[in-house]
Amino acid sequence: DAKTTQPPSMDCAEGRAANLPCNHSTISGNEYVYWYRQIHSQGPQYIIHGLKNNETNEMASLIITEDRKSSTLILPHATLRDTAVYYCIVRVAGGANNLFFGTGTRLTVIP
Amino acid sequence: NAGVTQTPKFQVLKTGQSMTLQCAQDMNHEYMSWYRQDPGMGLRLIHYSVGAGITDQGEVPNGYNVSRSTTEDFPLRLLSAAPSQTSVYFCASSSYGLAGDPQGTQYFGPGTRLLVL
Repeated sequence: DAKTTQPPSMDCAEGRAANLPCNHSTISGNEYVYWYRQIHSQGPQYIIHGLKNNETNEMASLIITEDRKSSTLILPHATLRDTAVYYCIVRVAGGANNLFFGTGTRLTVIP
Repeated sequence: NAGVTQTPKFQVLKTGQSMTLQCAQDMNHEYMSWYRQDPGMGLRLIHYSVGAGITDQGEVPNGYNVSRSTTEDFPLRLLSAAPSQTSVYFCASSSYGLAGDPQGTQYFGPGTRLLVL
């Protein structure tokens, strides 16, 4: 069963910020929000994750609303190499570590 | 480190044939898993293992067998291939959120593309 809802596709101009939304209204208190991306049928690549605080790393920023029912992945300066399918996943950290993928958002960065 | 490696990259089978998809990781990860991805779909979990000698079923296990005799290797066996098993297969591994690893980040292999005629 899908735990997250994402728009099927988005466009972003090269050099601009890409903001990818995700709804996870049934998230539990011990579930993290993870983001992965898949570039052209390669294996998925981890981007970032968070519990309730905003997070930033060298790839992206993750903004989680105070009620934790939604989040936004931000790619600050999108490049053509960021064209990919982005998956938002909620899961409990550790344990069996199974990921349940939806269909994600296909981001196209336009020159 | 090579990370997660998968062989073969491509394979064509006839209906009823059997084969083994190989997966190996050199990161000493306890957790390994197999996913399949059909066109236009997200990944679906087939089987997973939380350590050597321990395996369990995922979302779509029918038609597949796994075993985990070593930490490094997690082969996926197709017992009698069917056209419905035409897909891209990804192997992944992770630790259990040890110090320095963000809550068990999963690392994926490059995939095996399987066509069953």
